Amino acid sequence: IAGITQAPTSQILAAGRRMTLRCTQDMRHNAMYWYRQDLGLGLRLIHYSNTAGTTGKGEVPDGYSVSRANTDDFPLTLASAVPSQTSVYFCASSDKAGDGADTQYFGPGTRLTVL
Amino acid sequence: GQNIDQPTEMTATEGAIVQINCTYQTSGFNGLFWYQQHAGEAPTFLSYNVLDGLEEKGRFSSFLSRSKGYSYLLLKELQMKDSASYLCAVRGDDYKLSFGAGTTVTVRA
Repeated sequence: IAGITQAPTSQILAAGRRMTLRCTQDMRHNAMYWYRQDLGLGLRLIHYSNTAGTTGKGEVPDGYSVSRANTDDFPLTLASAVPSQTSVYFCASSDKAGDGADTQYFGPGTRLTVL
Repeated sequence: GQNIDQPTEMTATEGAIVQINCTYQTSGFNGLFWYQQHAGEAPTFLSYNVLDGLEEKGRFSSFLSRSKGYSYLLLKELQMKDSASYLCAVRGDDYKLSFGAGTTVTVRA
């Protein structure tokens, strides 16, 4: 089934530990995005990638890093997790063909708790 | 910066109509999106407006007025399965989406 997958579904992590959230899409979309969603704040962009080999910072990039080695995968790494990074993380992708809506499609999310 | 406002909660009866308003102040404008998000699930795309006017898609319609920085999502013939959060998002000059905090709609029998 075409779409976006994320792993793990949920994770409880001790503060200070390193964690990588995985995101894979099979739609051959050019652009990929990482958001966090916190109650009352809505979705906020962490990092994005317009095409394989390039990345950019979003609204809340501190404490997170990303890489885009190929079209399909866009992992998000927390180098040293802190409790304020407790959130639900969504990966998204879009075609970014340069015309039309360039709609973003979201993965199922990862619920991360940092203790 | 980007500022997108929408009501926190709305309640309506099954079969009724509900209108969710969204006002925005953003750096530039390159389209407005509405997403639906059921509890514990991913946001799913509902509608896209880039020109002024009404876009109708089945029971859902979305309206945009760029001069007023205003949009609404209209849900007609409400069903229990429409109970969800509805997210307004604006694409600005940087071509990134900025999201409102979402409106939780509860449909009562």
